Amino acid sequence: EVQLLESGGGLVQPGGSLRLSCAASGFTFSSYAMNWVRQAPGKGLEWVSAVSASGGSTYYADSVKGRFTTSRDNSKNTLYLQMNSLRAEDTALYYCAKQGEGGSGGNWFDPWGQGTLVTVSS
Amino acid sequence: AIQLTQSPSSLSASVGDRVTITCRASQGISRALAWYQQKPGKGFKLLIYDASSLESGVPSRFSGSGSGTDFTLTISTLQPEDFATYYCQQFNHYPIIFGQGTRLEIK
Repeated sequence: EVQLLESGGGLVQPGGSLRLSCAASGFTFSSYAMNWVRQAPGKGLEWVSAVSASGGSTYYADSVKGRFTTSRDNSKNTLYLQMNSLRAEDTALYYCAKQGEGGSGGNWFDPWGQGTLVTVSS
Repeated sequence: AIQLTQSPSSLSASVGDRVTITCRASQGISRALAWYQQKPGKGFKLLIYDASSLESGVPSRFSGSGSGTDFTLTISTLQPEDFATYYCQQFNHYPIIFGQGTRLEIK
């Protein structure tokens, strides 16, 4: 069974940093792109970042570009999101999601983790 | 960046109804669209990918159609467990974009 387990969320002051992790199991981690998606309380979904299967290519939403860095360790089956210069508007539940399988090979998401909550507040 | 306009934002319907949700892209995205269901406390479930491919295990009452800029998600006969929030997602270009969501409520 494919499982994604996020960790590392918590309360941080504006301007602070936090590193999220997503431990993957049940599939060949190094074969799939991985993603971070967030959902602010009571709001819709915002894609944050993606990283290619090899880790050689990364992509970011404009709202986090230059502040967040996505990486992966394929030897540890783990995805990371380093978040710096955090702002109140970064407060959200952060999900990791695996690239889906089959079809066109595009980057739809299946499955998703259960999320880890990041709260940016003084 | 591509924009996705999902409508309606909320919808009241009854068990047994046929429901359609639309997603319009600001520019052509071929068939690079997925649909997700979110239930409170239960996370996200992939329903449809590549605009019309039904994910394994998803009931056949769910269907997707469209290409280019206009897409629809149809639930042919609403069941009690279908009351949830639905999102479309384009993956043709980065940045990946989600629609604003459609909250499907019981009438």
